[in-house]
Amino acid sequence: AQSVTQPDIHITVSEGASLELRCNYSYGATPYLFWYVQSPGQGLQLLLKYFSGDTLVQGIKGFEAEFKRSQSSFNLRKPSVHWSDAAEYFCAVGARNTDKLIFGTGTRLQVFP
Amino acid sequence: EAGVVQSPRYKIIEKKQPVAFWCNPISGHNTLYWYLQNLGQGPELLIRYENEEAVDDSQLPKDRFSAERLKGVDSTLKIQPAELGDSAVYLCASSRSLGTGNNEQFFGPGTRLTVL
Repeated sequence: AQSVTQPDIHITVSEGASLELRCNYSYGATPYLFWYVQSPGQGLQLLLKYFSGDTLVQGIKGFEAEFKRSQSSFNLRKPSVHWSDAAEYFCAVGARNTDKLIFGTGTRLQVFP
Repeated sequence: EAGVVQSPRYKIIEKKQPVAFWCNPISGHNTLYWYLQNLGQGPELLIRYENEEAVDDSQLPKDRFSAERLKGVDSTLKIQPAELGDSAVYLCASSRSLGTGNNEQFFGPGTRLTVL
């Protein structure tokens, strides 16, 4: 069965610092992987997705993620965090024969000035 | 392009009362999803529609929850009767179904339900 683990419930960084949010997945084959961001009172917005090909994926708002099959990971990174990046971040995995997504429990990012 | 629209945004009811949530997906999106998001958790799928057909409702508590998408566009999710544990955010999402999993789901802002 598919599953997603986001080990960090809450992360705090200073504005301008680099960021890495961890995501580990469990799936029997090559999955589809997604990162979504949710600001308070808002729905989820897609940051980036991995389907195949280049394992380093570029997304919106300066985010990128790297798919590492050997580690079953899809960590999200940003070289310099802005205060507006403070939000909840969700990693999700999708199976290749269905439109169903399994979400992780999320990582809340707090940014200090 | 208008996004996914949900109403109401907030709802407060007393336990045992009925409640209904409405969702209007993005035009042209034939797949519609209802998710439940508890505080501090990720969204969990309740039901997925492809056009008018509910193709995955395995996680929908059918004793009190029901959903419909009569014309393959708008959808309504109902709870009757509501319980204290139903307090959560109910998210609606839509996508162009490819049936292969590599589609992007677009989410509405959600309805925050509080059951007293």
